Amino acid sequence: QVQLVQSGAEVKKPGASVKVSCKASGYTFTGYYMHWVRQAPGQGLEWMGWINPNSGGTIYAQKFQGRVTMTRDTSLSTAYMELSRLRSDDTAVYYCARYYGSFDYWGQGTLVTVSS
Amino acid sequence: EIVLTQSPGTLSLSPGERATLSCRASQSFASSYLAWYQQKPGQAPRLVIYGASNRATGIPDRFSGSGSGTDFTLTISRLEPEDFAVYYCQQYGTSPPWTFGQGTKVEIK
Repeated sequence: QVQLVQSGAEVKKPGASVKVSCKASGYTFTGYYMHWVRQAPGQGLEWMGWINPNSGGTIYAQKFQGRVTMTRDTSLSTAYMELSRLRSDDTAVYYCARYYGSFDYWGQGTLVTVSS
Repeated sequence: EIVLTQSPGTLSLSPGERATLSCRASQSFASSYLAWYQQKPGQAPRLVIYGASNRATGIPDRFSGSGSGTDFTLTISRLEPEDFAVYYCQQYGTSPPWTFGQGTKVEIK
């Protein structure tokens, strides 16, 4: 069965970077785009961008351009999302989600807390 | 950027009642690219409807989606206890960014 398993919670200081991983199983990793979505505490969902695991090509939401980098390791069937120059308002749960006509499978989420 | 506005913000209903959730877009787009997700506290979102009217795998037939252009609706014909959650609409497949509505909370009255 399809599973997306994300790395564990992180606590970071303002200005630092965080890298979240998303390990896929149960399907051909390179066959489906992987998206990243975040959710601040008590807030709605915010789309961050996607990576094509086959080519490595990416598209980022303008809001995050210059601070976000999405990569993948096809040998590990794992996608990564790195966010730099963290601020307190980056505190959120970060989700990876597989795209197949919509976001049909989601990771369990990774809480990133930014605090001094 | 396409802005999605959901209404109402909160829907207070009893089990067995009908729920009607609205999602209005700031500009028209193909209905093929409208989805609805359900999210319960502490859980990841779950796909309910894609392509405006297609139920995702495992979603019961009391859930239905409709609409086109700028106006879309999610209907839950008879609320079951497990249906009380927050629902988000999303547009995708158009030019980025792929946006979500702000959510409608369906709560027990």
